[in-house]
Amino acid sequence: DADVTQTPRNRITKTGKRIMLECSQTKGHDRMYWYRQDPGLGLRLIYYSFDVKDINKGEISDGYSVSRQAQAKFSLSLESAIPNQTALYFCATSDFRVLGRDEQFFGPGTRLTVL
Amino acid sequence: DAKTTQPNSMESNEEEPVHLPCNHSTISGTDYIHWYRQLPSQGPEYVIHGLTSNVNNRMASLAIAEDRKSSTLILHRATLRDAAVYYCIPSIYNQGGKLIFGQGTELSVKP
Repeated sequence: DADVTQTPRNRITKTGKRIMLECSQTKGHDRMYWYRQDPGLGLRLIYYSFDVKDINKGEISDGYSVSRQAQAKFSLSLESAIPNQTALYFCATSDFRVLGRDEQFFGPGTRLTVL
Repeated sequence: DAKTTQPNSMESNEEEPVHLPCNHSTISGTDYIHWYRQLPSQGPEYVIHGLTSNVNNRMASLAIAEDRKSSTLILHRATLRDAAVYYCIPSIYNQGGKLIFGQGTELSVKP
């Protein structure tokens, strides 16, 4: 079984709808991240969480919110989806206990289309 | 944040070495240099990281310039499976592991 899973893998929705993307991990890591990737571009950080009680905004948090329900679960919500939020969304986890080793483990991605 | 400059694309022949350059002239003394790659239709995966010394692992080698303003990822024998986008990412030490992805280098490998 995959260490980092994302649901759904694909989603098509309409403008104005509320959407939740879910991420689960079995790696036991404290740190979790949400990124978005637009065609031909690198990933941009939306939100990140260093533990269950810690939530931080990334580069592009406007229009998104997150919830860290447990160490293993980190959800991303689009309260009112708009077409320019059409993108590929990745969840990642990391274990920062080894100094400098910021190895992040990524999920398979969720392809979201907002019509 | 430290900025990076990488070629947009590079080509290699199968079973030949590949040297992927990265310029990170604004890196601070405590920033580690990470390399990730993203295979088609997949999430990124960690390749290697280093601070000052050259590093080797089963996937690649990382050569870091003495002034730390540039680094080179070396794939010793490229395979078709190495075709991917390669990202050079300074790790911001005091920001707990945030990765700032640039556009990376798209590597194509010819048989």
